[in-house]
Amino acid sequence: SQQGEEDPQALSIQEGENATMNCSYKTSINNLQWYRQNSGRGLVHLILIRSNEREKHSGRLRVTLDTSKKSSSLLITASRAADTASYFCATDAGDDKIIFGKGTRLHILP
Amino acid sequence: GAGVSQSPSNKVTEKGKDVELRCDPISGHTALYWYRQSLGQGLEFLIYFQGNSAPDKSGLPSDRFSAERTGGSVSTLTIQRTQQEDSAVYLCASSLVSGLGGYTFGSGTRLTVV
Repeated sequence: SQQGEEDPQALSIQEGENATMNCSYKTSINNLQWYRQNSGRGLVHLILIRSNEREKHSGRLRVTLDTSKKSSSLLITASRAADTASYFCATDAGDDKIIFGKGTRLHILP
Repeated sequence: GAGVSQSPSNKVTEKGKDVELRCDPISGHTALYWYRQSLGQGLEFLIYFQGNSAPDKSGLPSDRFSAERTGGSVSTLTIQRTQQEDSAVYLCASSLVSGLGGYTFGSGTRLTVV
């Protein structure tokens, strides 16, 4: 079953602009993770935010978590062509497996 | 090894045949997961191994699917009597301790059933 749901499903922006993707989920979580996938193969872990955290940064990435709204956002600042990929949120409800959403396809235009 | 290794990277098989997909996790990672991803979709959880505990098989779609993990390391996902709807990318991931960090994924096996 799908726990997280990303919004929008697809996003195209100009290089240099900021990209924001949102994730909503249904049940209580221990942590929420964001992953990037290039070319439909292996996923790369980007960042993990715990349920007691509200914001986290990693380089050009900024993740927020609002547990009252059961939502998270991923902001990529100063986008680059190499950021073109699919981005997935994944939730860990403490039952030893993480559940992925369907992803946002991000396309950076030159 | 340095990363999670999956083999084969691509597999084309005839409907009705059995296939075995292999995952070699990062050395020392106690948790191992299998996911399936159909074209343009998210990841569907299949099965989870943690140390010597009984695996969580709750995501296996049918009894044609099975998996084992020998010696707490290499895992094999077996699909018997393959069907066309089994066509997908099968992804394996491992983590040091379940629930405390991100997973490291392999590059996946693209299975095509013809």
